[in-house]
Amino acid sequence: DSGVTQTPKHLITATGQRVTLRCSPRSGDLSVYWYQQSLDQGLQFLIQYYNGEERAKGNILERFSAQQFPDLHSELNLSSLELGDSALYFCASSDTKGGDTEAFFGQGTRLTVV
Amino acid sequence: SQKIEQNSEALNIQEGKTATLTCNYTNYSPAYLQWYRQDPGRGPVFLLLIRENEKEKRKERLKVTFDTTLKQSLFHITASQPADSATYLCALLGSGYALNFGKGTSLLVTP
Repeated sequence: DSGVTQTPKHLITATGQRVTLRCSPRSGDLSVYWYQQSLDQGLQFLIQYYNGEERAKGNILERFSAQQFPDLHSELNLSSLELGDSALYFCASSDTKGGDTEAFFGQGTRLTVV
Repeated sequence: SQKIEQNSEALNIQEGKTATLTCNYTNYSPAYLQWYRQDPGRGPVFLLLIRENEKEKRKERLKVTFDTTLKQSLFHITASQPADSATYLCALLGSGYALNFGKGTSLLVTP
């Protein structure tokens, strides 16, 4: 158990809909990262928050947004969903701003857009 | 652009042999490089972190080397076991502080 909790584990929704994925980081970790992993694709970095503020941004679509709340949990919002958004979405946390300590990953949310 | 390249072909080895996986990078000046293990459908699990001033790091049957001149890291698993079968990912801190991962190399250890 990494200590990072992601909900829900599975999500099936229709094209055009909006969903929210939730992540609770390990106790004490200030950084939260979001990744997308499609079939046969690597982990694509989406966005990172550190102590409530956006710190790094990857190739995140404009239809996607995220935030980190004062209690440090984070949410990833995906809107106007397309079939190609079907993927595993991972959240990770670390105790620093990034790179110099390990990142702990959650078990992921499997999103299926039909 | 920044790239992290790992062997896309799966590596098949026999139990007891040493597995060696490669991570090459372009347009990074990393102070740290990390290796993770990922099993199908699960989140990656951290294995080792090596700093730019460390040539080599070991943890049990794992060894990582880091050559900033060659822009390459090698990841070795000695006395490999079927339970080591997984995908292994390397990760670097990119521009804008993004923690970027390679696509990973799939390792299959057969008895």
